[in-house]
Amino acid sequence: GESVGLHLPTLSVQEGDNSIINCAYSNSASDYFIWYKQESGKGPQFIIDIRSNMDKRQGQRVTVLLNKTVKHLSLQIAATQPGDSAVYFCAEVDEGYQKVTFGTGTKLQVIP
Amino acid sequence: NAGVTQTPKFRVLKTGQSMTLLCAQDMNHEYMYWYRQDPGMGLRLIHYSVGEGTTAKGEVPDGYNVSRLKKQNFLLGLESAAPSQTSVYFCASSIPYNEQFFGPGTRLTVL
Repeated sequence: GESVGLHLPTLSVQEGDNSIINCAYSNSASDYFIWYKQESGKGPQFIIDIRSNMDKRQGQRVTVLLNKTVKHLSLQIAATQPGDSAVYFCAEVDEGYQKVTFGTGTKLQVIP
Repeated sequence: NAGVTQTPKFRVLKTGQSMTLLCAQDMNHEYMYWYRQDPGMGLRLIHYSVGEGTTAKGEVPDGYNVSRLKKQNFLLGLESAAPSQTSVYFCASSIPYNEQFFGPGTRLTVL
């Protein structure tokens, strides 16, 4: 079946360095992709999104890259801070914009 | 603006008992969702609704029922709880074609 997965379950990064979290998706018909951050004991929180007609989108300290050729999504966090420590999920949305499929998540640990 | 709220925050059930989880949103969102999250895993979609009076099955609907009688509320029911339904349940809402806003979650334990 279709799935969204992540390459690395845990990523440790030195404070101040850049972080890159990767995600592979398999549904070529997915039209919309979202990155969420989930802190311990809380619900997921929206970080940034990108639609399939784009290959890059930037926010405040975050950038999402979409490579439709290899079905790959990445989240780049610049100057990683201790407050960035959390689990990050990528999600793909079907072309009807109704169902959202989440990946298994990557835990980002920021080393002070 | 409270956003998305969930009731209750915690619950312990015995096998075979029933309960209803309530999700409420005050953002006038059309779409609402129920997910479950098991330890170390991502969120799996149980049921969703694209408008008042409509519901649809997600990835893991068995053992659950839902109702969307009012636009702002989305109820998730467990008719006969099983230990396999021990999980954290998240509700979310969105407007079409945009990101979801999540509630704080309900931690359910079935003994």
